[in-house]
Amino acid sequence: GQNIDQPTEMTATEGAIVQINCTYQTSGFNGLFWYQQHAGEAPTFLSYNVLDGLEEKGRFSSFLSRSKGYSYLLLKELQMKDSASYLCAVMDSNYQLIWGAGTKLIIKP
Amino acid sequence: DGGITQSPKYLFRKEGQNVTLSCEQNLNHDAMYWYRQDPGQGLRLIYYSQIVNDFQKGDIAEGYSVSREKKESFPLTVTSAQKNPTAFYLCASSQDRASDGTQYFGPGTRLLVL
Repeated sequence: GQNIDQPTEMTATEGAIVQINCTYQTSGFNGLFWYQQHAGEAPTFLSYNVLDGLEEKGRFSSFLSRSKGYSYLLLKELQMKDSASYLCAVMDSNYQLIWGAGTKLIIKP
Repeated sequence: DGGITQSPKYLFRKEGQNVTLSCEQNLNHDAMYWYRQDPGQGLRLIYYSQIVNDFQKGDIAEGYSVSREKKESFPLTVTSAQKNPTAFYLCASSQDRASDGTQYFGPGTRLLVL
């Protein structure tokens, strides 16, 4: 079967750095997506990785290792507004997105 | 401003009733999707459509139906056959499924059973 694993919940301090990991086992691979979802709202697109390496976009960076079936989302200079769930999703060989259950990130002052 | 709209924000269903959730996009995207989100679970695909007048079942299509008569619109009907419909329903669209599969979401509809 297809599987996406990410931690259920993480806590970090305002101004710090946090890394949210995602491991996957899917039928084929056509890219990995990270989305942010605030409570009660829709997911919003953060990043897309299809090649190995690090993609940086402001305070957020996303890393991919296809050989290890592994990705992480790195958030720097954490702000209270970063409190949200972060969803990892992989596009399989049929171009269908397989979603992880999400990581709830709690930011403390 | 381009985007995706969903209505209503909250919907109440009585037992035995069919209800329809609206989804409209003005992004000129070919592909549209319906997902269901339950607490503690990943998004699950109900139906998707790659082009007008065509749609495919996702992983949990039973008890749901869709239509795609216009490029901009992809309504979802939750039928009385869906025994556990309480969930957060999300509509999304993408340019297409292959070359640019990044999906953009509407604000969602929360369905509750009376």
